[in-house]
Amino acid sequence: DADVTQTPRNRITKTGKRIMLECSQTKGHDRMYWYRQDPGLGLRLIYYSFDVKDINKGEISDGYSVSRQAQAKFSLSLESAIPNQTALYFCATSDLTSGGGGDTQYFGPGTRLTVL
Amino acid sequence: GENVEQHPSTLSVQEGDSAVIKCTYSDSASNYFPWYKQELGKKPQLIIDIRSNVGEKKDQRIAVTLNKTAKHFSLHITETQPEDSAVYFCAAFHNFGNEKLTFGTGTRLTIIP
Repeated sequence: DADVTQTPRNRITKTGKRIMLECSQTKGHDRMYWYRQDPGLGLRLIYYSFDVKDINKGEISDGYSVSRQAQAKFSLSLESAIPNQTALYFCATSDLTSGGGGDTQYFGPGTRLTVL
Repeated sequence: GENVEQHPSTLSVQEGDSAVIKCTYSDSASNYFPWYKQELGKKPQLIIDIRSNVGEKKDQRIAVTLNKTAKHFSLHITETQPEDSAVYFCAAFHNFGNEKLTFGTGTRLTIIP
């Protein structure tokens, strides 16, 4: 489904370059997330936002920044890319269910970033 | 913060046999435990979840069990089929303060025809 879209889908860049990854959603969810996926390390949270005015660091935020331009848009920036930021990046959205917990996340298709 | 450990990291089973993946969590306040399936080259997608007020949940060939006392939960897949081959992630969440999912490191399941 195209409810959560990410651009670009693939990007190759050089060390030191500034890169922006964009995420848009049509699900109407307030919560948005950026994850990084590396082999054997699972999905690690970079940043998350519970609404337009709320930005929070995740477990691996160093070297990254984010911008929540609107409810539907959440961008991830690498100010000066380095090779160990080569990874698969996923955006996700959620809408915390009522009645006692639960936070189903809906992922975008991912952006494969290679830093040379 | 929450720590989720997942085992095994890889698992191969014969088609038709059962597969079990186990996870443990550290935060006793966690109250929601989803499982995501990620097929090769695709995004993770929720396949089943369980809340802390139940001990087991089933959906056709997939079941999840939760032991709150021991702080572990497991995914059970019966009568495995080739399309079950994928990476599976467990996760833990609680909605009191630290409202975000913490994922396990994943299990690569291979179904041998």
